[in-house]
Amino acid sequence: SAVISQKPSRDICQRGTSLTIQCQVDSQVTMMFWYRQQPGQSLTLIATANQGSEATYESGFVIDKFPISRPNLTFSTLTVSNMSPEDSSIYLCSVGPSSGNTIYFGEGSWLTVV
Amino acid sequence: DQQVKQNSPSLSVQEGRISILNCDYTNSMFDYFLWYKKYPAEGPTFLISISSIKDKNEDGRFTVFLNKSAKHLSLHIVPSQPGDSAVYFCAASADHNTDKLIFGTGTRLQVFP
Repeated sequence: SAVISQKPSRDICQRGTSLTIQCQVDSQVTMMFWYRQQPGQSLTLIATANQGSEATYESGFVIDKFPISRPNLTFSTLTVSNMSPEDSSIYLCSVGPSSGNTIYFGEGSWLTVV
Repeated sequence: DQQVKQNSPSLSVQEGRISILNCDYTNSMFDYFLWYKKYPAEGPTFLISISSIKDKNEDGRFTVFLNKSAKHLSLHIVPSQPGDSAVYFCAASADHNTDKLIFGTGTRLQVFP
């Protein structure tokens, strides 16, 4: 299984600021995804991070709010821009090969916006 | 529109007994299903999966059953252990080429001695 490291693991952020979350994988992976889990809610896919091209965003998520980078096959970043208390969530990076094989998750980055 | 539903937000089971967690889905295009376990402040951990060409998959204490006609799957844990206490999410995928998962809302399992 892939080892996925996320930074920061936890942060308290001021309203209106932006924070970049990093995701590092110990092997090259085809697909990288960013999910969000708001308090008491399920995991919701934000976007698919595509290597060498723009991320593909799900309905309700836009690039201006959640810019994503994927410079290579082992690394991605998610920025949460102009944060509000509603952005307080766990943000999770996940990776998976194609063909329906197991998808693995990082430990998550717990953001609290005050 | 919640395509994957876990209608029981919580379940309490005595140690040694069977835990049965249920999941229903609405999208008939889903062809791959997974169960994840999640502890607080940690990322989800993969447990077991099943392809739509099967109706059962077993791995140790964990068995997943799939009923395609009813669009229903269940996770059985036998015997249940206190360390199984966590939130369990079922997830579904409709496109093996993207591995994009749709998650249910989760069921909190508590196993008591």
